[in-house]
Amino acid sequence: DQQVKQNSPSLSVQEGRISILNCDYTNSMFDYFLWYKKYPAEGPTFLISISSIKDKNEDGRFTVFLNKSAKHLSLHIVPSQPGDSAVYFCAASGSSGSARQLTFGSGTQLTVLP
Amino acid sequence: DAGITQSPRHKVTETGTPVTLRCHQTENHRYMYWYRQDPGHGLRLIHYSYGVKDTDKGEVSDGYSVSRSKTEDFLLTLESATSSQTSVYFCAISEQAKPNYGYTFGSGTRLTVV
Repeated sequence: DQQVKQNSPSLSVQEGRISILNCDYTNSMFDYFLWYKKYPAEGPTFLISISSIKDKNEDGRFTVFLNKSAKHLSLHIVPSQPGDSAVYFCAASGSSGSARQLTFGSGTQLTVLP
Repeated sequence: DAGITQSPRHKVTETGTPVTLRCHQTENHRYMYWYRQDPGHGLRLIHYSYGVKDTDKGEVSDGYSVSRSKTEDFLLTLESATSSQTSVYFCAISEQAKPNYGYTFGSGTRLTVV
């Protein structure tokens, strides 16, 4: 049973528009959430994170929103650029035991069309 | 990625043969992880290490073993490779058990079991 779910395997957006990637989780012990970006033939790289004590974190063009009651987070990219085309993984961790290790979603392939 | 290298980058092996993948880091980080990436599953934790000779199982540890005799090296062994172990394997490192910036990943090893 996947504890972190990304229900959209792919997303296409036009350059300059907003990209919204979604992620849902089921484990209420998760208290820290991260987004990673992955290009082909490379390892995932950290993009942005958010603690459960916050509902929004912004870093340049990237903003992550957290809705704890819905166990849902989203990544907004504005404006989207062709270089943003990659697979985006949502990840979560908790504070104790095995939950401290990062649990990843299945990823969303974002394609930004020029 | 800087400070973490995986070898080999690509390997083709036959069913039933043993295979060892190596992860080497120069960051002196305490924690090391092995993940596998498969379509529809994202990244799943195989084993992790929290110090020299200290290892534990992850979500998909069956058929895999690990060893860490030095801080800088974390080895993943498939004792008898099966076709279901065809995957891309990623090593990751972190300084803390629950780092604010997640893990740093290597570039991956693509393993094909024929």
